[in-house]
Amino acid sequence: GEDVEQSLFLSVREGDSSVINCTYTDSSSTYLYWYKQEPGAGLQLLTYIFSNMDMKQDQRLTVLLNKKDKHLSLRIADTQTGDSAIYFCAERVRAGNMLTFGGGTRLMVKP
Amino acid sequence: EAQVTQNPRYLITVTGKKLTVTCSQNMNHEYMSWYRQDPGLGLRQIYYSMNVEVTDKGDVPEGYKVSRKEKRNFPLILESPSPNQTSLYFCASSSPGTSAHNEQFFGPGTRLTVL
Repeated sequence: GEDVEQSLFLSVREGDSSVINCTYTDSSSTYLYWYKQEPGAGLQLLTYIFSNMDMKQDQRLTVLLNKKDKHLSLRIADTQTGDSAIYFCAERVRAGNMLTFGGGTRLMVKP
Repeated sequence: EAQVTQNPRYLITVTGKKLTVTCSQNMNHEYMSWYRQDPGLGLRQIYYSMNVEVTDKGDVPEGYKVSRKEKRNFPLILESPSPNQTSLYFCASSSPGTSAHNEQFFGPGTRLTVL
């Protein structure tokens, strides 16, 4: 079955790196995603990684995928107060591009 | 501007009073979905639609109905709302032909409270 898990909360200081972790159970995932939800807003796609990749870097964001352990992480370098939000990892497995989401990690950045 | 809109954004209602939350997208997307977001549970899919007149159940469909008569609209219907349907609801759309990673675009959310 499908199950995606994340820790609920992460607190870092401004300028530090943040690492948000996610584990999933379905090895047939094709794409894995990180979405960002700011207060009172919907979800916005932050980045994604195809299942045949190990790493993807996009400016301050680094995504690492360990398929053997079914572990996905999002590293945010030089974290800013504007990065404070809830981050959801999601996997695409099923037909119709339907996603299974983790419970979300609330990132709090202290000045 | 390409977007997904939902109405209403906020709604307080009473048990048993039928309600509809509308969702509309202007990107000509084939796929549309409804999710509910509850603390610690992330987003759970209620229903999805792969095209006009094609709908299917997601993970938590009980107590909900949907219809897809037009490509742009995908209303969510609660025939007899109950307090356990108090939640934050998101509509999303995507198009499989747009890109390989097939990004889903989300509406702003509808916060529903059932008393």
